[in-house]
Amino acid sequence: GIQVEQSPPDLILQEGANSTLRCNFSDSVNNLQWFHQNPWGQLINLFYIPSGTKQNGRLSATTVATERYSLLYISSSQTTDSGVYFCAVKNSGGSNYKLTFGKGTLLTVNP
Amino acid sequence: DTAVSQTPKYLVTQMGNDKSIKCEQNLGHDTMYWYKQDSKKFLKIMFSYNNKELIINETVPNRFSPKSPDKAHLNLHINSLELGDSAVYFCASSHGEGRAIFGPQHFGDGTRLSIL
Repeated sequence: GIQVEQSPPDLILQEGANSTLRCNFSDSVNNLQWFHQNPWGQLINLFYIPSGTKQNGRLSATTVATERYSLLYISSSQTTDSGVYFCAVKNSGGSNYKLTFGKGTLLTVNP
Repeated sequence: DTAVSQTPKYLVTQMGNDKSIKCEQNLGHDTMYWYKQDSKKFLKIMFSYNNKELIINETVPNRFSPKSPDKAHLNLHINSLELGDSAVYFCASSHGEGRAIFGPQHFGDGTRLSIL
């Protein structure tokens, strides 16, 4: 099946810093999503972005499907950004009808 | 105005018992899912239903039985609970058609299951 690798696995920032999280995948995709799991365990959908660039406030994401990666940018980080960020993909061929999740990036933003 | 709601939030029970988790979505989606998140935070799909039809059934013990009475509800019944079933179970929904899934998935808040 498709492989999803996220980097870095852990990231510690001071409030106000910027960061870039990366998601590499091993096959062509037609569905890619970024999620934030907050410290209370809630999974929030940040972006549905199989290709192109989107922005939502301090967060933006870019997927370069032809090169099999996606980036999540967090600018002016806040303590509420802490949590685990997951990338999930569905490959566009074969009989794979599910989202495959990466192992996540654990982000800690210190005040 | 909860989009995907699952109950209960916490479930503490003895080994060998049978329990159910309920899920409902009011987003008008036609595909619903159950995921299991283990202690290392790894998320893995268990089942998906599209318009009440089972689409995905991953390698899950047959002690786990999903039921979809209509496309807005997907429940999970677990028989003979074992220690290894301790995890957080998430319900999710999205648009879909048959086996295809479209657009973003939205998750419930999770059910934390602890087996004593």
